[in-house]
Amino acid sequence: DVKVTQSSRYLVKRTGEKVFLECVQDMDHENMFWYRQDPGLGLRLIYFSYDVKMKEKGDIPEGYSVSREKKERFSLILESASTNQTSMYLCASSLTGRWNTEAFFGQGTRLTVV
Amino acid sequence: AQKVTQAQTEISVVEKEDVTLDCVYETRDTTYYLFWYKQPPSGELVFLIRRNSFDEQNEISGRYSWNFQKSTSSFNFTITASQVVDSAVYFCALSEARNRDDKIIFGKGTRLHILP
Repeated sequence: DVKVTQSSRYLVKRTGEKVFLECVQDMDHENMFWYRQDPGLGLRLIYFSYDVKMKEKGDIPEGYSVSREKKERFSLILESASTNQTSMYLCASSLTGRWNTEAFFGQGTRLTVV
Repeated sequence: AQKVTQAQTEISVVEKEDVTLDCVYETRDTTYYLFWYKQPPSGELVFLIRRNSFDEQNEISGRYSWNFQKSTSSFNFTITASQVVDSAVYFCALSEARNRDDKIIFGKGTRLHILP
């Protein structure tokens, strides 16, 4: 059974804290993605990675960074959390070079910044 | 530029009614894929269907059916005889072949309420 696992389901952090959201996949997928989901805005791509140590900005990268040191793990970093980063964060993975392959999603992390 | 529009923000129907979720897309590419995902209250997006741009045949899977029309750039999703378990947010998505990065662009989603 394919699996994308996000380290936390719910997270509460203080403004200004450095926050790490972890995502691990066990499908040997090359591509990994971080999306943010907000009511009325759908899923917006923050960053994606198509290989280890490779990353590309998505549509809303400001205030975020990512790390991909190993193929199976893709971390999203909020350098200094702010209240407008309160949101649901979704990680996904897919096979590379197969643009027609669906993405598999984790269960999401609901982050609240207070 | 690629874009996916789901004009229906929220729909409510009574159980056993049929319901259609609309999806309109924009792309300059001639080769692309369209997807539908379901997000139940648990939060995890579940893949439902994939359709490539060269296959306009409609598809039926149980109570679910999809109507792909390139002429109107639409990929609509119909649930027949809806059930309470169909209540979820449904996302339509697009991926273009010319994108090396395999990026998938999602619509804003339609929240479907099936009332008992």
